[in-house]
Amino acid sequence: AQSVTQPDIHITVSEGASLELRCNYSYGATPYLFWYVQSPGQGLQLLLKYFSGDTLVQGIKGFEAEFKRSQSSFNLRKPSVHWSDAAEYFCAVASPNDYKLSFGAGTTVTVRA
Amino acid sequence: GAVVSQHPSWVICKSGTSVKIECRSLDFQATTMFWYRQFPKQSLMLMATSNEGSKATYEQGVEKDKFLINHASLTLSTLTVTSAHPEDSSFYICSARVALADSPLHFGNGTRLTVT
Repeated sequence: AQSVTQPDIHITVSEGASLELRCNYSYGATPYLFWYVQSPGQGLQLLLKYFSGDTLVQGIKGFEAEFKRSQSSFNLRKPSVHWSDAAEYFCAVASPNDYKLSFGAGTTVTVRA
Repeated sequence: GAVVSQHPSWVICKSGTSVKIECRSLDFQATTMFWYRQFPKQSLMLMATSNEGSKATYEQGVEKDKFLINHASLTLSTLTVTSAHPEDSSFYICSARVALADSPLHFGNGTRLTVT
């Protein structure tokens, strides 16, 4: 069975500072990997995804993530956060066969001025 | 870009009544739709997968008689919460895609259900 672990429940970062959100997954083969962002009471917005190929993936809003097979990780990074980046971030894994997403518990990002 | 619309965005119902949530793909034919449930400050949990024209496949622990899913057309799936109780209060989110390799998954904006 596939699963996702996001070790950090809550991260506080200063505006303009860098951000890294950790994600570890468990899956038997190479999965599809995703990062989503959710604002309070809203749906999900896809930041980026990895299917295959280049292990460094560029997404929207200046985010990037790196797939490291040896570490079963797919960490999300942003060099300089903006106050609007405050939200809940979810890492997800899916089997290429059925596209059923399993989500991590989420990381809440707070941005301080 | 592709859009998935959920309706209503929020609903309040009395305990014991049923409520229907619609999920529509507005500009593509969604052969597969997924229904997720999210409790406050928690992650999303997959409830069921529905493929157009066939019965939904429910995840373990999800009561299929309580959460009725219908996917009668390529653009519409409905989730009906039957005989709702306060513990069914949650945020329900659908997602949809075309069942082709690497086709993207599109999420609706969710429905906040409150059962009083």
